[in-house]
Amino acid sequence: DVKVTQSSRYLVKRTGEKVFLECVQDMDHENMFWYRQDPGLGLRLIYFSYDVKMKEKGDIPEGYSVSREKKERFSLILESASTNQTSMYLCASKAQGKAYGYTFGSGTRLTVV
Amino acid sequence: GQQVMQIPQYQHVQEGEDFTTYCNSSTTLSNIQWYKQRPGGHPVFLIQLVKSGEVKKQKRLTFQFGEAKKNSSLHITATQTTDVGTYFCAGPIGSSNTGKLIFGQGTTLQVKP
Repeated sequence: DVKVTQSSRYLVKRTGEKVFLECVQDMDHENMFWYRQDPGLGLRLIYFSYDVKMKEKGDIPEGYSVSREKKERFSLILESASTNQTSMYLCASKAQGKAYGYTFGSGTRLTVV
Repeated sequence: GQQVMQIPQYQHVQEGEDFTTYCNSSTTLSNIQWYKQRPGGHPVFLIQLVKSGEVKKQKRLTFQFGEAKKNSSLHITATQTTDVGTYFCAGPIGSSNTGKLIFGQGTTLQVKP
């Protein structure tokens, strides 16, 4: 089975801190994604990467950046955390062109105080 | 912009009753995917539908893709407590083959034993 591992299940950070959320997948998938999940809003795409060092903005990239230096690792960076970034962050991966869905990590619940 | 809407947002049923959630897209979709998220868990891929009018079954779950490929439904027959969770539909963003998905807001199912 594909595994997508997110480094932290829960995080509490202070306003203004730089925050790194790490995601690693073990199935050589080309595509990796970062979503945030908020009640009533479903899952919203923050950033997407289709190859090493390649990235595209999603629907809500403001306040975030990403890094993909190795194929298996996709990091989400909150440059200066704010309280409105308190959310559940979900990483997902998918093999390019394959007719099956995402494999999600267990999520990181981030609280910014 | 492109939207995917799900109704209802919440549904409470007695164990043994049937349940249906509906998904509507503002644009024609090349495919639609369904995911289930158990309370406290992460979304898990259930199925992908590709063809117009397609119907697929997984035990008590029946998935349909509309003729116009703009809507879909998930029907659960004789719900069980193990069906509790949030069900999301998702469709490709735009016409790209990047694997990016736009998710509906989800339908949360509660089952009373």
